[in-house]
Amino acid sequence: DAKTTQPPSMDCAEGRAANLPCNHSTISGNEYVYWYRQIHSQGPQYIIHGLKNNETNEMASLIITEDRKSSTLILPHATLRDTAVYYCIVRAIRSNDYKLSFGAGTTVTVRA
Amino acid sequence: DAGVIQSPRHEVTEMGQEVTLRCKPISGHNSLFWYRQTMMRGLELLIYFNNNVPIDDSGMPEDRFSAKMPNASFSTLKIQPSEPRDSAVYFCASSNTGGGGQPQHFGDGTRLSIL
Repeated sequence: DAKTTQPPSMDCAEGRAANLPCNHSTISGNEYVYWYRQIHSQGPQYIIHGLKNNETNEMASLIITEDRKSSTLILPHATLRDTAVYYCIVRAIRSNDYKLSFGAGTTVTVRA
Repeated sequence: DAGVIQSPRHEVTEMGQEVTLRCKPISGHNSLFWYRQTMMRGLELLIYFNNNVPIDDSGMPEDRFSAKMPNASFSTLKIQPSEPRDSAVYFCASSNTGGGGQPQHFGDGTRLSIL
């Protein structure tokens, strides 16, 4: 039972912003939205997470719609090193909820 | 600031041999996870430790797989005897707590090939 829906792939130009959408229409009130990415031959890398407010860190920004049914990960200035598979995951914040369910993700290719 | 450290990075061995994968979690983290990644099944959680105690091993495929965490800074995943279908990339991850919203941080994995 997929909790998130992401486009299978997208291209973006180096130096431009990359906007990665994610639908999570069945998200519960106690579930966070997490974003990870996996660069080829590396382990998944945590990017950012949020509950209902927009979040920003040194890697990216996370915009969550007011109804929380979708979100967008923004890489402000994509570089070739941002080429990776990006995973949007929803996960509850209960102490006994620890599983991360990685779906197919979005394969992002940054082109020079 | 060291991340999760796994060794070896690559392991090639023959069917029937014992394989031991090692993991050093991030200092101060009290939760540790072992995952396996294959093309067919994606990333699967094998086992979860909290404060060095196995909490959920429901993802361990069969008795040939075992995992230990003798202290807060070290864990092993052992396969004995190994089979070709065990070939995969095995990841270790750690976090401050198992649940509660804290992100898991992953190592770079061990690429295991069983011939």
